[in-house]
Amino acid sequence: QKEVEQDPGPLSVPEGAIVSLNCTYSNSAFQYFMWYRQYSRKGPELLMYTYSSGNKEDGRFTAQVDKSSKYISLFIRDSQPSDSATYLCAMSAGKYGGSQGNLIFGKGTKLSVKP
Amino acid sequence: NAGVMQNPRHLVRRRGQEARLRCSPMKGHSHVYWYRQLPEEGLKFMVYLQKENIIDESGMPKERFSAEFPKEGPSILRIQQVVRGDSAAYFCASSPAGRGYEQYFGPGTRLTVT
Repeated sequence: QKEVEQDPGPLSVPEGAIVSLNCTYSNSAFQYFMWYRQYSRKGPELLMYTYSSGNKEDGRFTAQVDKSSKYISLFIRDSQPSDSATYLCAMSAGKYGGSQGNLIFGKGTKLSVKP
Repeated sequence: NAGVMQNPRHLVRRRGQEARLRCSPMKGHSHVYWYRQLPEEGLKFMVYLQKENIIDESGMPKERFSAEFPKEGPSILRIQQVVRGDSAAYFCASSPAGRGYEQYFGPGTRLTVT
């Protein structure tokens, strides 16, 4: 079993839809959970990070963490064609003074938002 | 506020040559991380460095790969005697001290070995 599982998609939605992206993980030591967006042939862009379980909202983006189920989600409201990209989840176990440098990434979900 | 800078953006090397990839962290960041992204694969951690110190190199191949982050200047990822399997995108990230969960990535260096 891989440490982090993420459905590769592709996921295609119409403009304005609510998008749900998910990852599951197996390592119960993970404490920090991140979402990145990566456009084709570009570097990953940090969207949000959360610590432990709970929700976090930033504009059109909401991140949820359920540690009991080892399941994290990213919701995108009012999706736009500019949201078309690959979304990567990442996790960290918090080894070095509360944060571990070694991020474990999912393979990414490719999202396409159609006008 | 300049982000993480990497150069070169594209690098072509013949088998057996050396590749040097450079990374300048964001202003105010003292921690640097290197990742590799192979085609159809996810990002894989390679090494975590602070100035003049390697903190975690658990993801580095045992041979041919080395990394440094000197007191002055950029971090360098060095690959000796490159092979075709080294062809990949190499990304550098940086974070503030104590906030390894807040990593900001550079644009990457795409290495092609011919």
